[in-house]
Amino acid sequence: QQQVKQSPQSLIVQKGGISIINCAYENTAFDYFPWYQQFPGKGPALLIAIRPDVSEKKEGRFTISFNKSAKQFSLHIMDSQPGDSATYFCAARLKKTGANNLFFGTGTRLTVIP
Amino acid sequence: EAGVAQSPRYKIIEKRQSVAFWCNPISGHATLYWYQQILGQGPKLLIQFQNNGVVDDSQLPKDRFSAERLKGVDSTLKIQPAKLEDSAVYLCASSLISGWPYNEQFFGPGTRLTVL
Repeated sequence: QQQVKQSPQSLIVQKGGISIINCAYENTAFDYFPWYQQFPGKGPALLIAIRPDVSEKKEGRFTISFNKSAKQFSLHIMDSQPGDSATYFCAARLKKTGANNLFFGTGTRLTVIP
Repeated sequence: EAGVAQSPRYKIIEKRQSVAFWCNPISGHATLYWYQQILGQGPKLLIQFQNNGVVDDSQLPKDRFSAERLKGVDSTLKIQPAKLEDSAVYLCASSLISGWPYNEQFFGPGTRLTVL
C-alpha cells in the first residue's frame, strides 16, 4: 500500500515557467513532510520541508503548500530552470518514538526545456 | 565535510548468490538508514540504526536480508540468497540523531544491484 501518493509521474515545463507537483496521504500520524531532489546517479537531497501546523513555506524559488484538512501538499517551483531538471520525491515522516521513518512518494521526473 | 560513502557503486550477481554493501556515514552522525529504491519508485526504508542498535527494521525481509553496525559507525547490508526482485539501488543515509525535531537525512550515492 502506497502511503504517499504523488503526481504527476513526469512533467515538462518551459524555462521560466511554474512546476507543480502534488502529493496526498492518509495517515494522520505523519508529522513532517520533506521534499527531496534526486539527480541521476546521486542520492536524494533534501530540498525543503514543512510541518503540518504550517500552511506554506517558501525558500527561494521553492514553495510548499500544505492543506492539512485535505491531507494534501504540493511543491511549486517558480521560474523553473534547466538545472532544476531532476526527479522530485515528496515524503512523510511517521511519528514514532526514536524512529525517523520516511515514506516516499513514487517520484516526479521534471524536465525544464530551455 | 565528506558525505555518506558507499561501495561498491555497482554490482551484478546471479540469483541465489550473496552480496554485501558497505556504508560509511557522515562523521558524528549517530543514526544510519538503509533504503531500497526500485526503478521508478521512491526509496523504501529497510532498517534504521541509532549508534549500533536497531531502531526500526519492520520493513526488512529478514529471511534474506541482514544488516549490522557493530561499532556504531560503518554498516554493512547483506542479501543471501538474492532474488531477481532484489534488483534495485540500495541507499545509505545518515543523520545526527532521530526523532523530533526532524534531523535531515543525508544520502549516499547508492549501490546499484542487478540480479540476473
